[in-house]
Amino acid sequence: GDSVTQMEGPVTLSEEAFLTINCTYTATGYPSLFWYVQYPGEGLQLLLKATKADDKGSNKGFEATYRKETTSFHLEKGSVQVSDSAVYFCALSRNDYKLSFGAGTTVTVRA
Amino acid sequence: DTAVSQTPKYLVTQMGNDKSIKCEQNLGHDTMYWYKQDSKKFLKIMFSYNNKELIINETVPNRFSPKSPDKAHLNLHINSLELGDSAVYFCASSQDEASGYTFGSGTRLTVV
Repeated sequence: GDSVTQMEGPVTLSEEAFLTINCTYTATGYPSLFWYVQYPGEGLQLLLKATKADDKGSNKGFEATYRKETTSFHLEKGSVQVSDSAVYFCALSRNDYKLSFGAGTTVTVRA
Repeated sequence: DTAVSQTPKYLVTQMGNDKSIKCEQNLGHDTMYWYKQDSKKFLKIMFSYNNKELIINETVPNRFSPKSPDKAHLNLHINSLELGDSAVYFCASSQDEASGYTFGSGTRLTVV
């Protein structure tokens, strides 16, 4: 079945540091890929997405590129802020009425 | 103007009780979902409904019964609550899965 593997956390960074969260997936066909963010005490928000190979999703300074050859969708941000502290989830969909999520990566940014 | 709203936000109840969680979306989406998030933050699909029809029931105990009176509402009723049901339950909706899902803010259920 489909699965998503994310880099284990927690990750602790200083402000303005570079953030990378690795995500790889296993799925048949051509899934759509997503990154969701969950701020403390809140629901999940869609951060960015990509629907086909080589697409780059970007939002709020975050980027991720859909790499079919390595089945990866790594999340990056060049300069993090304290407000980026959250749990980040990689997910995939094959248009089969469900999202398959990775385990989540907790990111803490210190001032 | 909340897109997906769930009530209640917190629910504390005793083992053996029956409880319901309500969900409404005002986005005009055709598909709604229930997800369970455990204490380690892992998210798992429970149910998917498309135009009020059950599409996915992901090996959820019979004590959990979703009901969709119309495509804007998907409620979750839980009978005979157990300690292991303690979790955060998220409702979500989508129109086109490639566009992503919109999630509610969650219901934290604590069974004591």
